[in-house]
Amino acid sequence: DAGITQSPRHKVTETGTPVTLRCHQTENHRYMYWYRQDPGHGLRLIHYSYGVKDTDKGEVSDGYSVSRSKTEDFLLTLESATSSQTSVYFCAIKSDPRRTIYFGEGSWLTVV
Amino acid sequence: TQLLEQSPQFLSIQEGENLTVYCNSSSVFSSLQWYRQEPGEGPVLLVTVVTGGEVKKLKRLTFQFGDARKDSSLHITAAQPGDTGLYLCAGELSQGAQKLVFGQGTRLTINP
Repeated sequence: DAGITQSPRHKVTETGTPVTLRCHQTENHRYMYWYRQDPGHGLRLIHYSYGVKDTDKGEVSDGYSVSRSKTEDFLLTLESATSSQTSVYFCAIKSDPRRTIYFGEGSWLTVV
Repeated sequence: TQLLEQSPQFLSIQEGENLTVYCNSSSVFSSLQWYRQEPGEGPVLLVTVVTGGEVKKLKRLTFQFGDARKDSSLHITAAQPGDTGLYLCAGELSQGAQKLVFGQGTRLTINP
């Protein structure tokens, strides 16, 4: 157990509404990530953070923003949800220096 | 275009058989990791390989990193129903990149 909590675990929302997913960690890891998982694509990186207020884009960042105002929380916001953002979202943290990434249990988001 | 190509994407075999899953790329990776994912859960790390030609064994699972660090394989001997799951390879493109790219995954089913 890497001390990662994702919330909400399941959400159904309407097209055009904003949605925020929260990732909370209890072990003070520097690196945090948001991935989405879709059939046939594996996991794709949306955004990641390498410290408080330090974030960078991943390969599928369009339509998403992130914030990290404190070490333990990394928020992913869909500013105006679209049906193409229906997916399973995974938060991950990196355990330095062993270079092991631990994943949370996922957040299932359905945009209708 | 998938940076890491995993094959096969689906595999269904009988208990006791052997199998190999492949992960290929034209890019060089500083490290490559294999994950296993159960339904409704996040991926869990099985192994990390970092040296070209490296072979690691985990009970009946054998992992190999290609000499050129562009490909990897996972071999399971005498598969058991408990091996059923989604297997994902992931590579780190450069040391210190702090982010992984994933293959599409191999959904493995072992039939009793």
